[in-house]
Amino acid sequence: SAVISQKPSRDICQRGTSLTIQCQVDSQVTMMFWYRQQPGQSLTLIATANQGSEATYESGFVIDKFPISRPNLTFSTLTVSNMSPEDSSIYLCSVVEGYYGYTFGSGTRLTVV
Amino acid sequence: LAKTTQPISMDSYEGQEVNITCSHNNIATNDYITWYQQFPSQGPRFIIQGYKTKVTNEVASLFIPADRKSSTLSLPRVSLSDTAVYYCLVHNTDKLIFGTGTRLQVFP
Repeated sequence: SAVISQKPSRDICQRGTSLTIQCQVDSQVTMMFWYRQQPGQSLTLIATANQGSEATYESGFVIDKFPISRPNLTFSTLTVSNMSPEDSSIYLCSVVEGYYGYTFGSGTRLTVV
Repeated sequence: LAKTTQPISMDSYEGQEVNITCSHNNIATNDYITWYQQFPSQGPRFIIQGYKTKVTNEVASLFIPADRKSSTLSLPRVSLSDTAVYYCLVHNTDKLIFGTGTRLQVFP
């Protein structure tokens, strides 16, 4: 199955700033997904990122707050903009692969102070 | 997307078989049932997927009755390392929507 590297693994950021999270996959994939997991909660899908097209955002998430780039078939970034303490979460990227289902990165633990 | 309902938590002891049941009354004809496992500080990991009847792999079995309105994940002889959150998902597209999951605690 695919191997996903996410960077950074964790960060502490000041409110009002932005953080860009990188997701690198060791194989070419069509679709990549970004999730948020708040402390003690389940995963919530933020958006779907296809190479060569605009990301598709789920209800409650907007491009101005969570801009996503997908420059090629192995890489994507998620930016958390103008952060507030409510954005403190784990952010995970994911890709889908046939038999193996979905593979997730280990996540980026973000704390906003 | 079909909504799933599963117990919030379960306790077990090492060596026991654990069965986690998930209800998905509104499952569609083209929906698949997939289970994921998540350890603290890690992303979810694929366990097993099925459409109907029984599926078995090296780590678990998945039982799906004929009406497909529920499914049961069976973990044989659990160990302490099986302590995790288990998610049941029903989907027919590439988009996964996670429910609340079942927090399994295994005791020695």
